[in-house]
Amino acid sequence: QVQLQESGPGLVKPSQTLSLTCTVSGGSISSGGYYWSWIRQHPGKDLEWIGYISNSGKTYYNPSLKSRVTISIDTSKDQFSLSLNSVTAADTAMYYCARDGGGGNWYVDYWGQGTLVTVSS
Amino acid sequence: DIVMTQTPLSSPVTLGQPASISCTSSQSLVYRDGKTYLSWLQQRPGQPPRLLIYKISNRFSGVPDRFSGSGAGTDFTLKISRVEAEDVGVYYCMQATQFPYTFGQGTKLEIK
Repeated sequence: QVQLQESGPGLVKPSQTLSLTCTVSGGSISSGGYYWSWIRQHPGKDLEWIGYISNSGKTYYNPSLKSRVTISIDTSKDQFSLSLNSVTAADTAMYYCARDGGGGNWYVDYWGQGTLVTVSS
Repeated sequence: DIVMTQTPLSSPVTLGQPASISCTSSQSLVYRDGKTYLSWLQQRPGQPPRLLIYKISNRFSGVPDRFSGSGAGTDFTLKISRVEAEDVGVYYCMQATQFPYTFGQGTKLEIK
């Protein structure tokens, strides 16, 4: 069974860049035609889809965050990463990495445990 | 963006009794391939969301058969035939038919 684990700083200063990495185990990130997503959950519990990347590097970002977001993938390490720049307090959230089934199976089936990121000086 | 609206926002239920949650989308969720990418997620306290149902009515691996999904177009329902204590948590519907993916605001299931 595939497992995902987020890692990265839990505290980021305003205007700086939030950087998180997701490590995938139990299967290669390169196989199966899956897409690899980032989703966040604000303290009020609302879920927001940030974007995803395919194993070939194709990305799609939420237009509300597109100007600040980059998702990248390192297939040699079975990892994908999130970079969100110019953060503010509104970016404080639990950040989850997750797997999307891809073509014909567009649903998020496996989630990481999540990592809490607080934006504060 | 497609807006997903859930009702009720809170659902107190007696153990062993059924529960039902509705989700309405602001646009049809039928994709160009003819499939409908509507999922239901369960989030237990302190846990990440977990996939329960995908493509309206398909139970994900390991999900008990007391959970069922139905609906079409813009109106969808999650039903629990007999609520158990472990079902306490927040339930979300999610659409993956159109970018960006969007979620309902969540329905809190609690035991009376």
